[in-house]
Amino acid sequence: DAKTTQPTSMDCAEGRAANLPCNHSTISGNEYVYWYRQIHSQGPQYIIHGLKNNETNEMASLIITEDRKSSTLILPHATLRDTAVYYCIVRFPNAGGTSYGKLTFGQGTILTVHP
Amino acid sequence: EAQVTQNPRYLITVTGKKLTVTCSQNMNHEYMSWYRQDPGLGLRQIYYSMNVEVTDKGDVPEGYKVSRKEKRNFPLILESPSPNQTSLYFCASSLQGFEQYFGPGTRLTVT
Repeated sequence: DAKTTQPTSMDCAEGRAANLPCNHSTISGNEYVYWYRQIHSQGPQYIIHGLKNNETNEMASLIITEDRKSSTLILPHATLRDTAVYYCIVRFPNAGGTSYGKLTFGQGTILTVHP
Repeated sequence: EAQVTQNPRYLITVTGKKLTVTCSQNMNHEYMSWYRQDPGLGLRQIYYSMNVEVTDKGDVPEGYKVSRKEKRNFPLILESPSPNQTSLYFCASSLQGFEQYFGPGTRLTVT
């Protein structure tokens, strides 16, 4: 699996957009970029995923660079409830063998949203 | 409401006393797994199951057992808990790919 690099922490003002970067320079052609978040001691929550094109859902937008070596998760109007650890994960979907389904969580980015 | 439930949410036990943490999902997902989360080590997969009667080890399976007799349930069994199994445990399920749904967590303390 491609290794990801994320900043350790970021701050954002409530109501502003939060832009969380992720570097995955060794990503291979069929690997997807997934984002999850974990609010303190709760179960991780799926946010969004993508392969090449930008993606948007009700929670966030995902911008993947053309060379796919980095991506940005955008929370368009951050609220205090968005304070969490955000994880960027690069993975082949439905990989076989012992790694099937396993999500490898790194250290993630601690996003703190301030009033 | 689609959800993954775990019970108990909190458990304090003593070394060697067998315990089971239950996990249930109502989304008809084939794939289920267990993770543990420890400070500085992140989330690590313990066991996973691709379907009924199909289970396999994750990264840290020692000291744990699982079973998958029904699609919706995937209990985690600690036959003889030890203090190093004190941790926060999460169950997860998914239909396909990695859009996994996680349970609320079980905080286990073994003294």
